[in-house]
Amino acid sequence: DTEVTQTPKHLVMGMTNKKSLKCEQHMGHRAMYWYKQKAKKPPELMFVYSYEKLSINESVPSRFSPECPNSSLLNLHLHALQPEDSALYLCASSHLLGSYEQYFGPGTRLTVT
Amino acid sequence: DAKTTQPNSMESNEEEPVHLPCNHSTISGTDYIHWYRQLPSQGPEYVIHGLTSNVNNRMASLAIAEDRKSSTLILHRATLRDAAVYYCILRGPAFQGGSEKLVFGKGTKLTVNP
Repeated sequence: DTEVTQTPKHLVMGMTNKKSLKCEQHMGHRAMYWYKQKAKKPPELMFVYSYEKLSINESVPSRFSPECPNSSLLNLHLHALQPEDSALYLCASSHLLGSYEQYFGPGTRLTVT
Repeated sequence: DAKTTQPNSMESNEEEPVHLPCNHSTISGTDYIHWYRQLPSQGPEYVIHGLTSNVNNRMASLAIAEDRKSSTLILHRATLRDAAVYYCILRGPAFQGGSEKLVFGKGTKLTVNP
């Protein structure tokens, strides 16, 4: 099983809402990543977790709060987002931090109204 | 991060070979050349990587110039399913500082004509 799953596929939320994105993998990978991709732009790294600990935060605003409750699960909690945060949010995993191959999920398409 | 330069777009015909170029004139001696692609409405997927020698796998071949300042991803027989944005990315050696990140450039959008 080389699949990274993400739920929901689509999410529409208002600026005062709180929502969460979920990412799951069962490949035994110990590194997990969140990327943000605006329309017609390349993905940009947001957060990196290694062994359930936050390893990299690319100066992401605090309205995005990541969480890695166990080695298979990665969440991204969203609160008080802005319309410009509308994007495709991609999750990825790799065997270890710095492993060559990252496996990406299909993403969650987020629209902030 | 060392930068890469790729054409914005390329077109090919189905069942013909495709050569996707990437320039990386500021590559360091320890940087690996990675290629990912992103099909429409999907997340990126790993294609291939190499350091100095040419590499082949089931998806593609990677030809690396002798001075390592450029490389070419080769799809031997393009199919409609190969239509995607192809990203050429430089990364440090595995498990060393800087290798944690994938820094995507703008990539090349490949269109495959039937």
